[in-house]
Amino acid sequence: DTGVSQNPRHKITKRGQNVTFRCDPISEHNRLYWYRQTLGQGPEFLTYFQNEAQLEKSRLLSDRFSAERPKGSFSTLEIQRTEQGDSAMYLCASSGELRRGNEQFFGPGTRLTVL
Amino acid sequence: QKEVEQNSGPLSVPEGAIASLNCTYSDRVSQSFFWYRQYSGKSPELIMSIYSNGDKEDGRFTAQLNKASQYVSLLIRDSQPSDSATYLCAVRGAQKLVFGQGTRLTINP
Repeated sequence: DTGVSQNPRHKITKRGQNVTFRCDPISEHNRLYWYRQTLGQGPEFLTYFQNEAQLEKSRLLSDRFSAERPKGSFSTLEIQRTEQGDSAMYLCASSGELRRGNEQFFGPGTRLTVL
Repeated sequence: QKEVEQNSGPLSVPEGAIASLNCTYSDRVSQSFFWYRQYSGKSPELIMSIYSNGDKEDGRFTAQLNKASQYVSLLIRDSQPSDSATYLCAVRGAQKLVFGQGTRLTINP
């Protein structure tokens, strides 16, 4: 059983640099989500794809953030001109359309540290 | 008022006892509710989902939902040290999940 995978697992970057994260969902899942989690808080929703269409974006997703899912399979999340406040765990989750209640399964996350 | 509220804890329970975790939510139209377990430094792991009023049992875990009171809870019976983790309550809003801040649970041997 292949779960959600994310790469890289850790990223350390300097303020002002661009970073890109990748998420590979569970193969039969057509819905993919990005969340961000800071220490002591629950995950916060960033954006959601159904197949290749980006259907919802949070107000948290400033214009420095962009996400894509070009062929409805893997997704990338790019942060341009990183700031120290972007330091967080970036989580990807996927769900299958037919599962009642839309159960979402998370990948291991990418921990971003901006120096 | 936060959309999903949990007591952040820490909640300390002796091994073998019942741990009770509580969550309230503000959106009355919510239909799907989830409990995730998160170990330190790891990602959330789905352990229970509940959609109807009443109880749902899975092994040592029981989820309870009361939509009229906008309240969902998780009971862990025969608590084990391996149950020590942060437990996140999540409520489905349209497609996204809205999470509480989590309750840190410690099981004392």
